[in-house]
Parts: sequence; C-alpha cells; structure tokens
Amino acid sequence: DAKTTQPTSMDCAEGRAANLPCNHSTISGNEYVYWYRQIHSQGPQYIIHGLKNNETNEMASLIITEDRKSSTLILPHATLRDTAVYYCIVIEGSNFGNEKLTFGTGTRLTIIP
Amino acid sequence: ETGVTQTPRHLVMGMTNKKSLKCEQHLGHNAMYWYKQSAKKPLELMFVYSLEERVENNSVPSRFSPECPNSSHLFLHLHTLQPEDSALYLCASSQGQGAGNTIYFGEGSWLTVV
Repeated sequence: DAKTTQPTSMDCAEGRAANLPCNHSTISGNEYVYWYRQIHSQGPQYIIHGLKNNETNEMASLIITEDRKSSTLILPHATLRDTAVYYCIVIEGSNFGNEKLTFGTGTRLTIIP
Repeated sequence: ETGVTQTPRHLVMGMTNKKSLKCEQHLGHNAMYWYKQSAKKPLELMFVYSLEERVENNSVPSRFSPECPNSSHLFLHLHTLQPEDSALYLCASSQGQGAGNTIYFGEGSWLTVV
C-alpha cells in the first residue's frame, strides 16, 4: 500500500529553489515524514525528517501542513549534484528499522543548467 | 560520506562461488541492517541486528547468511546464489530502533551473479 503520492518527475533551474511536494493524506499521529534521495548507482541518502513542525538543516527545509496530510521538501539553491530521485516516506516511529522501508517510485528531480 | 562503508562496491560471482559483503559503520550506532534493492522494485529489508543480536529475518533464503561480530561491523555471506539475486545490496545503521532514529545507508554493493 502506497502511503505517499509524489509527482513522477520535476525539473528545476540551477540556482533556484526546488520544491518537491508529497501527499500523505492517511498519515497517523505517530508517523514521521522522512525524505531520502538516491543518485543513480548509490545508496539512499538521508535528507530530513519531521513529525509536526517545520524542520531545516544544512541540506533542505521540510514544510509540513497543519493537518499533516502533505509536505514539501525545499532545496533552497539547487545545484546539478541535486539531480536524483527523491523519496518521501511515512514511518511509524516505533517501527522504524523493523518495518519494510518502502520507497515507492519517488520524484525524479532534474536540475537544468 | 555517510559514515557507513561497504566493500566491495562491485562483485561478480558464479553460482557455485562463496563470497562476502562487508559493512562498517563509524557512527557509533547500535543497529545495523541489510537491504536489497532490485531494479524497479521497492527496497526490501533482509536482516536487522540490534546490539549484535539478530532481531529480524524477513524470510530470506539460507543462501544469504549474515554475521554481526560487533556493533560496528556487519557481513553478508553469499553462497550458491542464483542470477535473480543480482541486485544492489545496501547496508545501513541507526542509533537505535524507534521514534526518530534515522537510518543511514552505505553506498551499496552491486552484485551480479552469473
């Protein structure tokens, strides 16, 4: 069962902010929203996660709507190295690690020079 | 650099060979994982170790044999594999299991069985 819905692909101009949306309308109160990305032939890279509040780290910002049914990952100044497949995942906190981590199809983000 | 190092990055082996994949984490984490990623399939959890004890084995065939000698090292021993076992094998680690314990992945080992 897909818990999240993401656009299949997106383009973004280099240097601009990349905004990647994710719908998770069936999210429950104890489920976290995690974002990973995977560059071809490499392992998934953790980006950011959140529960209720917006979060920011050195890589990105995560904006979670008040009803928690959707979120947006923001890469503030996209570079060519940000071209990758981005996965939005919802995971119950107590099961993280035990649960089969289903990445789904993700969004293929292409940064245009 | 994620703090999780996997070797070798690429491995080609025959169906009668015995080989091993190695993983080392430099993050001081207590839990380690093996995942399998096949083309066009979701990530599959294979094994979970917590404090060097196996806590999860998701119906993985016995031709895959994990070993966790300490909390920093994880091995996946391979023997008599099939061509359909060709995939990207990912090692990962986390501080613990549960709320907010982020999983960090290694670069993966590409396995081709011929």
